[in-house]
Amino acid sequence: EVQLVESGGGLVQPGRSLRLSCAASEFTFDAYAMHWVRQAPGKGLEWVSGITWNSGSVGYADSVKGRFTISRDNAKNSLYLQLNSLRAEDTALYYCAKARGASYDQSGLDYWGQGTLVTVSS
Amino acid sequence: QSVLTQPPSVSGAPGQRVTISCTGSSSNIGADFDVHWYQQLPGTAPKLLIYGNSHRPSGVPDRFSGSKSGTSASLAITGLQAEDEADYYCQSYDNSLSGVVFGGGTKLTVL
Repeated sequence: EVQLVESGGGLVQPGRSLRLSCAASEFTFDAYAMHWVRQAPGKGLEWVSGITWNSGSVGYADSVKGRFTISRDNAKNSLYLQLNSLRAEDTALYYCAKARGASYDQSGLDYWGQGTLVTVSS
Repeated sequence: QSVLTQPPSVSGAPGQRVTISCTGSSSNIGADFDVHWYQQLPGTAPKLLIYGNSHRPSGVPDRFSGSKSGTSASLAITGLQAEDEADYYCQSYDNSLSGVVFGGGTKLTVL
């Protein structure tokens, strides 16, 4: 069974940084695009970022562009999200999700992790 | 304000049929990008329910169906069951934003 396990969340002060990781297993990681999706407490889903199978193309929501950086290491079956200049409004549960295809634009997200909570507060 | 518009809530009695709409624009659904649907049960991660407008992943009951026309899409649930009570989200891609977009979500209540 496909497994996605996020880590790296926690309590952080505004303006500081955090790096999230997602460990993937039981599928051919380097064949699929990957995404980060977040959900603020009591709110809906918000796409954060996506990356193609070979890191050739990445995309970001306007709300995080210039502050967050997505990356992947196919040799380690791992996805990452570097969060810089964090704001209170970045507080959310961050999900790692696998795309059904190699690009991140057309495919649905067929497997999701359980999420890692990021809380930005002084 | 979400790029894709969904009704905040819908409800139905057990056994009934309900539909959830997802309205977009010419830069996303109307630009022929696929629509996908997710079910999120309370306290759990989202689950892919429909992909590519109308396709069900293995294990999803055929009570769930999806359709798309023009700049809108719909999720239909027939034979409503208590365990269908959840939040439902549509998702597509927007070429003006160059990114994935979600609807605001619809809370389904089974009466």
